[in-house]
Amino acid sequence: DAGITQSPRYKITETGRQVTLMCHQTWSHSYMFWYRQDLGHGLRLIYYSAAADITDKGEVPDGYVVSRSKTENFPLTLESATRSQTSVYFCASSDPAGIWNSPLHFGNGTRLTVT
Amino acid sequence: GENVEQHPSTLSVQEGDSAVIKCTYSDSASNYFPWYKQELGKGPQLIIDIRSNVGEKKDQRIAVTLNKTAKHFSLHITETQPEDSAVYFCAASSKAAGNKLTFGGGTRVLVKP
Repeated sequence: DAGITQSPRYKITETGRQVTLMCHQTWSHSYMFWYRQDLGHGLRLIYYSAAADITDKGEVPDGYVVSRSKTENFPLTLESATRSQTSVYFCASSDPAGIWNSPLHFGNGTRLTVT
Repeated sequence: GENVEQHPSTLSVQEGDSAVIKCTYSDSASNYFPWYKQELGKGPQLIIDIRSNVGEKKDQRIAVTLNKTAKHFSLHITETQPEDSAVYFCAASSKAAGNKLTFGGGTRVLVKP
């Protein structure tokens, strides 16, 4: 089925470890996004990508790295995990056209715990 | 950058009553305002959106109003049902800002049967 899938759904890692969260979409949307969701902060943008090989920082990029070698994949890497990165991470995609933006389509999230 | 404030943070209503959630935004260039519903364990899903060239949009029991002058927009849910219980997020974006959505802090809605 077409859609956006995130893996893993749950991850526990230790402080200082590197961890990669995966995101795959089957719509061939040009834009992809990573948000984190924390109580009291809503959804905050970490990184986004307008197309393959084009990425840019969002509101809270520190400690994260992204890549986009293929249109359908947008992995998020925590190079050295910290407890403050314990959160629920959502990947999303969209395909804006014309002068208007278009809706984001979200995955079901990855719940990451850093111990 | 854009700043979106959302109120209230929690809302409890009796089944059949109406629910209203309000958001304000700071960037006058914002021209797209979606609302998302998030159920437990799932990602947010778009329920309705409005663009700055209209003032109101309705889809069955939900409606959104936009006041560009005051820079605020609201979600109205009529005849609430238990399945409307969820967290709702408003958001704003502009093409000039690169299609990035800025979200409000969310409203937890509980519909009591």
